[in-house]
Amino acid sequence: DAGVTQSPTHLIKTRGQQVTLRCSPKSGHDTVSWYQQALGQGPQFIFQYYEEEERQRGNFPDRFSGHQFPNYSSELNVNALLLGDSALYLCASSLVMADPYNEQFFGPGTRLTVL
Amino acid sequence: SQKIEQNSEALNIQEGKTATLTCNYTNYSPAYLQWYRQDPGRGPVFLLLIRENEKEKRKERLKVTFDTTLKQSLFHITASQPADSATYLCAHVGGRYSSASKIIFGSGTRLSIRP
Repeated sequence: DAGVTQSPTHLIKTRGQQVTLRCSPKSGHDTVSWYQQALGQGPQFIFQYYEEEERQRGNFPDRFSGHQFPNYSSELNVNALLLGDSALYLCASSLVMADPYNEQFFGPGTRLTVL
Repeated sequence: SQKIEQNSEALNIQEGKTATLTCNYTNYSPAYLQWYRQDPGRGPVFLLLIRENEKEKRKERLKVTFDTTLKQSLFHITASQPADSATYLCAHVGGRYSSASKIIFGSGTRLSIRP
C-alpha cells in the first residue's frame, strides 16, 4: 500500500514564475491538505480539499491555489513566485470520517527554491 | 491569534534517560493535540493524539499528558535511544473557536540522544 507521494522532489524557479506541485494521497484517503514549511519552522496550513472543493484555508494569499481531482489527487499552484516562497511543501492525506479524527499521513515533500 | 509554542532550543540527553518535551498554547483549548516526529528532509510522522478530555495517553515508550488548566502538553520518551533523535512537532487541532479540521503546528523541538 503506497503512502502519500509527491512530485517533484526538488524544484528551482525564479521570481515571478509559476509552479505546480502534485500529490497522490494514501490509498483510501479522500482529504488532502497542503502545508508550507520554512526552514526551522513547523508546517503552516495552506488549505484543505475534500470532494474536489477547498474546505479550509490558512492565511495565504490568492497566489496560492489548488485543485483536487476525482481520484482524490491534488495540485498546489503558486503564481508570481517570491523569494519568501522558498520552502518545503508538504501534502497530507486523511480520511474525513476516520477515527482518530484528523490523523494525517504526510508525504516526503517538495523542496521549492526561488531564486 | 492562537499560538503554539515549543522550546526552540535543542534538547540533548544521555541514552537511557527520559526525554520530556513541552508544548504550550494560548487562548482556546484544542479538541485534540497531536505529536509528530520529523526527520531531516522528510515529512512529519504521526505519533500520538490526546483528546481534550484525556489526561494521559501512552504508546510503548511514549507518553503524552494534557493539562487544559496550564494550557500545556508534555511529551515523554522513556529509555531514550539514539534512534529517537529527531524534531518533534506539537499540533493543535480544532477547538471551540476553530474549525475541527484546522491544525496549527508548533515550530518543533530538536531532540538529540547521545550514546
